[in-house]
Amino acid sequence: ILNVEQSPQSLHVQEGDSTNFTCSFPSSNFYALHWYRWETAKSPEALFVMTLNGDEKKKGRISATLNTKEGYSYLYIKGSQPEDSATYLCAFYNQGGKLIFGQGTELSVKP
Amino acid sequence: DTAVSQTPKYLVTQMGNDKSIKCEQNLGHDTMYWYKQDSKKFLKIMFSYNNKELIINETVPNRFSPKSPDKAHLNLHINSLELGDSAVYFCASRDRDLNTEAFFGQGTRLTVV
Repeated sequence: ILNVEQSPQSLHVQEGDSTNFTCSFPSSNFYALHWYRWETAKSPEALFVMTLNGDEKKKGRISATLNTKEGYSYLYIKGSQPEDSATYLCAFYNQGGKLIFGQGTELSVKP
Repeated sequence: DTAVSQTPKYLVTQMGNDKSIKCEQNLGHDTMYWYKQDSKKFLKIMFSYNNKELIINETVPNRFSPKSPDKAHLNLHINSLELGDSAVYFCASRDRDLNTEAFFGQGTRLTVV
């Protein structure tokens, strides 16, 4: 059974706060780790795809790190804005070709 | 010009009916997926096709049958619909390159009454 766990399940922050979420995944048979942003009534959209241990990626105020040996990834949002409110999903891609999603972290940013 | 398109967007049908959901991608991707979104918004993988061939079939009832006439299309046919089949179904596609992300359709909300 392939389990991808995300924490916390939900997060409420004030505008301007910085925040981070965790994604843990199996460290064996690793191919790639994806992060997606999923707004209500829309489809998930990719933020990052990371494949190498130690990878760090950044897009504006959002960044992510990857540790494949211990099986975790962090997503950071600096200076949260109300438009950052969404569910953030991570997904683990393994050698069997499965793209397995975590249950997501629901972020709410209050003005 | 939508990259991954699903039809219909909404589907309301009675128990026992047979229905299909269509998915098409114009990205030239080799791999396509079907996911079911449960009540907690969790995306559970159902099927994966690579270049028209089934590579992943999770523990999905036999009433669900995917069909891929070509690598740009992956349709989902559901026989004898049950109340528990009500959910949002998402189609996705990705390239064979491991460094690329999946692209999702807009989802099909299926309601069985």
